[in-house]
Amino acid sequence: SYELTQPPSVSVSPGQTARITCSGDALPKQYAYWYQQKPGQAPVVMIYKDSERPSGIPERFSGSSSGTTVTLTISGVQAEDEADYYCQSGDSSNKVFGGGTKLTVL
Amino acid sequence: QVQLQESGPGLVKPSGTLSLTCAVSGGSISSNNWWSWVRQPPGKGLEWIGEIYHSGSTNYNPSLKSRVTISVDKSKNQHSLNLSSVTAADTAVYYCARALVYMPGGSYFDYWGQGTLVTVSS
Repeated sequence: SYELTQPPSVSVSPGQTARITCSGDALPKQYAYWYQQKPGQAPVVMIYKDSERPSGIPERFSGSSSGTTVTLTISGVQAEDEADYYCQSGDSSNKVFGGGTKLTVL
Repeated sequence: QVQLQESGPGLVKPSGTLSLTCAVSGGSISSNNWWSWVRQPPGKGLEWIGEIYHSGSTNYNPSLKSRVTISVDKSKNQHSLNLSSVTAADTAVYYCARALVYMPGGSYFDYWGQGTLVTVSS
């Protein structure tokens, strides 16, 4: 088993860029995925395969990978982006979530 | 549009078995996807429980493997979760989700149920 580590919280002003990191030893070998979860709602996938954006997800959401760290970048943050964000990775037989990062839009 | 709906008791006694069902509509459970369970304790993060393929093949979270059974009923287009020997630590919102297979060995959760709160208490 392995772990994915995220910062508990990130704060940013509207219009600025938010970066949320996720670290894990297996990330160089496995793809990462990012989910947004708003209070009382189920998660929604924002990024898959490190940097691919599903249809319907705004272009301001992007993902990148470097070594043991993957990053979710939100450019031009809007108030509606305030939410919890989870990274997730895994192989064909196991899936792991990071602990989650609360994004606060100031 | 695929829709998932969890159902089952909202209250389970300690040492008992938690049983939930996920009904799939708008798509076939026999499609090339995995069908998963994810839980979230109140105020905490997400935890993957396990998944099943329509063939019956399963994968489980190693930390829960000894207590978890996931099964599929293709005739009813649904799958089910059983978690035995529950304690208060198993109190959580339980989600069922579809893991879309976008490449061999690669999948992500693209459809989720609304979630159901299960409380373990006497």
